[in-house]
Amino acid sequence: AQRVTQPEKLLSVFKGAPVELKCNYSYSGSPELFWYVQYSRQRLQLLLRHISRESIKGFTADLNKGETSFHLKKPFAQEEDSAMYYCALKVTGTYKYIFGTGTRLKVLA
Amino acid sequence: ETGVTQSPTHLIKTRGQQVTLRCSSQSGHNTVSWYQQALGQGPQFIFQYYREEENGRGNFPPRFSGLQFPNYSSELNVNALELDDSALYLCASSSQGASRGNTIYFGEGSWLTVV
Repeated sequence: AQRVTQPEKLLSVFKGAPVELKCNYSYSGSPELFWYVQYSRQRLQLLLRHISRESIKGFTADLNKGETSFHLKKPFAQEEDSAMYYCALKVTGTYKYIFGTGTRLKVLA
Repeated sequence: ETGVTQSPTHLIKTRGQQVTLRCSSQSGHNTVSWYQQALGQGPQFIFQYYREEENGRGNFPPRFSGLQFPNYSSELNVNALELDDSALYLCASSSQGASRGNTIYFGEGSWLTVV
C-alpha cells in the first residue's frame, strides 16, 4: 500500500528550539519524497525534495530507507516557520502525489 | 511568469447540482492535476491531464470528470454533488515529463461548499 503518515497534527516549539516534523512512508518502489509548506493565507508550495539534498530556509530532510522515514528538521526554529507542513510521496512515472495529513508547526516567541 | 490560477475562489452549491471549476496552468506547463483537500486532511489526487487526455486517476467516482484544453488550461466537473464533496479543490501544473526531479506547482484552490 502507498501511504504517507505524519503522526503529529500539531507541534509547538519555542523560538530557537530544534524542530523535527516526522514523516513515514509505505511504498514498494524507489521513493521520491517532498515536503510542502503552506503559510497562512498562501498556497501550498514546495519546501524541499529529497533528491536535491538541499537546505531551504534552514530546513533539511534525509531519506532513511531502512526506517522508511523522511523527517524534516531545523536546528533553530523561527517564528516565521509557523505554518502547515505536508510530507508527500510521488508515485514513480506519474504526477500523482500522496500526501500526509499534515503537521501544524507553531513557533512560540 | 504567471502562476497557477483557479476560479472561482469560493462557491456554494446544493446537493445534486453540478459544478465546474477552472484552472490555468503556470506558463510553460502542459500537465495539470487536480486534488481534493477535505478539512483537516492532506490533498488527495483526483486525476491528471496531459495533452488533453486523462492519464492517471485516483480513487474518485466517475461523476468527477475533467478536461484539458489546447492552451493547457483545465476544468474539473463534479456531477450529482454530495455533502462530502465539500472541500478545497486544488489544481497543480508541471512541465512535460514525469521524470524524477520534476515537481508540481499549486494554485490557491477553489472552496466548494455543498449544502
